[in-house]
This record gives sequence, structure tokens and C-alpha cells, in this order.
Amino acid sequence: GENVEQHPSTLSVQEGDSAVIKCTYSDSASNYFPWYKQELGKRPQLIIDIRSNVGEKKDQRIAVTLNKTAKHFSLHITETQPEDSAVYFCAASSNNNDMRFGAGTRLTVKP
Amino acid sequence: DVKVTQSSRYLVKRTGEKVFLECVQDMDHENMFWYRQDPGLGLRLIYFSYDVKMKEKGDIPEGYSVSREKKERFSLILESASTNQTSMYLCAIGGLLNTEAFFGQGTRLTVV
Repeated sequence: GENVEQHPSTLSVQEGDSAVIKCTYSDSASNYFPWYKQELGKRPQLIIDIRSNVGEKKDQRIAVTLNKTAKHFSLHITETQPEDSAVYFCAASSNNNDMRFGAGTRLTVKP
Repeated sequence: DVKVTQSSRYLVKRTGEKVFLECVQDMDHENMFWYRQDPGLGLRLIYFSYDVKMKEKGDIPEGYSVSREKKERFSLILESASTNQTSMYLCAIGGLLNTEAFFGQGTRLTVV
């Protein structure tokens, strides 16, 4: 099955700086790559996703890039704010309908 | 507003008990998933189902089984609970061919 690796496990940045989280996947059949944000005590929620037919997608301060050849994708958050502090999960999914997640990155944005 | 409801927020069970965790959705989604969440290990897939009476093993199915008799309900069963099954369990739903997954609020299970 699919194996998703995520780095770093923890990330601390100053408010206003950028944050980058990277993931790799193993199954070349994976074609959907969502990112979820989980605030303390809450359920994970989708913040952005990308499909294998595009290389980059942006939504305000967040963007995701995908390199299918290298089998890796990244989340970029610019102008970070304290409310961006959370655990972020990447995931990969194929047409088999399974969805595998990375181990998560705890992002802390210091004011 | 999407509703994915897990039957309990907190559960405490004894070693050896049979435990049922229920998940109900109101979105008519085909896919339903059970994950367990542990610090440093992320969300690990236990089982998923893409249709009524269909089930597929995830990465850590040992010690668990599932049941999907109706489209809206997906149950996770711990046949004989053990202390290493103490964890947060999250149910999720999704549409066919990869769409956003919606999560339940989670069940924190403690096995003593």
C-alpha cells in the first residue's frame, strides 16, 4: 500500500515568516494530495488539495506544489500568523479510494 | 453542514472486552474510513469501506474488524480490547474518486 512520509515533525517560526512542510509518497498511482489542519482538541479539516494533473495550487497565503516525477509535494504558508499554529497532515490517495496520511507536523508560530 | 457523528467522545473499557465504535454520516458518501491517531505516528488507516458490506484492510487491521450494513453507518469492532489499543479513533467519510474527507469528532478510548 501507499506510504507517506512527512517532514519536519515540528516546526517553529516567527510571525510573518514562511513555513514549508514536505511529504513524499511511494505509490505512483496516487493522484490526489490533500492537506489537513488540526487545531488542538479539534478534528482535522481540509485546507488545500491538489490533483496529479497540476503542479501548483494557491489559495491566499497557502500553496501546494507537486512533483510527480520525484513523488513529493509540499505545503507553503506565507506571512504566518499565530492562528496558523496547529498540526498539519499531508495525505495521498489513489482511485482505490484509500487515503494514507503522513505523521504530521506541529507548527508553532511565535508572535 | 456535513455531519459525521461518532457515538462516544470518551470510552473506558477493560482488557478483553469487546468494544464497538460507531460512526454515522448524513452526506450519503460512499467511502468511510477508520483511523487511529497516536502522537508522532499521525493518522494510521485501520479499515475503510467504499460500499455497503464492502471492507478493505488498511495498514493496521490486526485486532480490529468492521461492519457496514447500511451506507450511513460504519462500525469499528475491537474483538478483545488490549491496552495497546488505547488511542484516539477518528472516523472519516469521502466521496468516490478522491474528494475531501470529513472527520468525526473522535473517540478517545482507554483500555485498562
